[in-house]
Amino acid sequence: QVQLQESGPGLVEPSQTLSLTCTVSGGSVNSASYYWSWIRQPPGEGLEWIGYIYNTGSTYYSPSLKSRVTISLDTPKNQFSLNLNSVTAADTAVYFCARETILGPLEDAFDIWGQGTMVTVSS
Amino acid sequence: SSELTQDPAVSVALGQTVRITCQGDSLRNYYANWYHQKPGQAPVLVIYGKKKRPSGISDRISGSSSGNTASLTITGAQAEDEGDYYCNCRDSSNNPRRVFGGGTRLTVL
Repeated sequence: QVQLQESGPGLVEPSQTLSLTCTVSGGSVNSASYYWSWIRQPPGEGLEWIGYIYNTGSTYYSPSLKSRVTISLDTPKNQFSLNLNSVTAADTAVYFCARETILGPLEDAFDIWGQGTMVTVSS
Repeated sequence: SSELTQDPAVSVALGQTVRITCQGDSLRNYYANWYHQKPGQAPVLVIYGKKKRPSGISDRISGSSSGNTASLTITGAQAEDEGDYYCNCRDSSNNPRRVFGGGTRLTVL
């Protein structure tokens, strides 16, 4: 079955760039049936959607993070990545990658999630 | 833009029925999805498209919707139902942002 796995540094210094990669196994990031998303969860808080990328390379980002976020696709490696620049302590969170299946014009859902990776912003 | 509002916490006696709600203007146009998250784990999709269950999800869990409110109902609550429940949907036709509710912590007594 499809599995997602996040990877990247667990510690990032303030003002630097947070970079994470999600490796997809058992399926293809080139499929037109899915969006590939990043979602984060600060300690003790709720879920925050960061943005997605489609197989065409088109992206959409949360307006609150748009100025600092880039999501990219590496089709040969079957991966997608997150870059978040100028990080502060407020960006400390568990970062999840997730597959969002397009079910219809009014329906899409995050049906497959990675296990999540904790990223701490600290010097 | 739209936000989704959930009660922070709900409790239910073992074996009883509990309803968790999610309110927001987006729900008038888009179906709600529901996720169950246990401590230290990734969320799991339990309801999508308003009331459909993914394979492997207990039929004790059901979804419904009316107006700007979506509901998740758990009948015969069990200890394994404890955890946080989040609703989610798209923001609007003019804004493809995805939104999550703040989450509801369910305690089974």
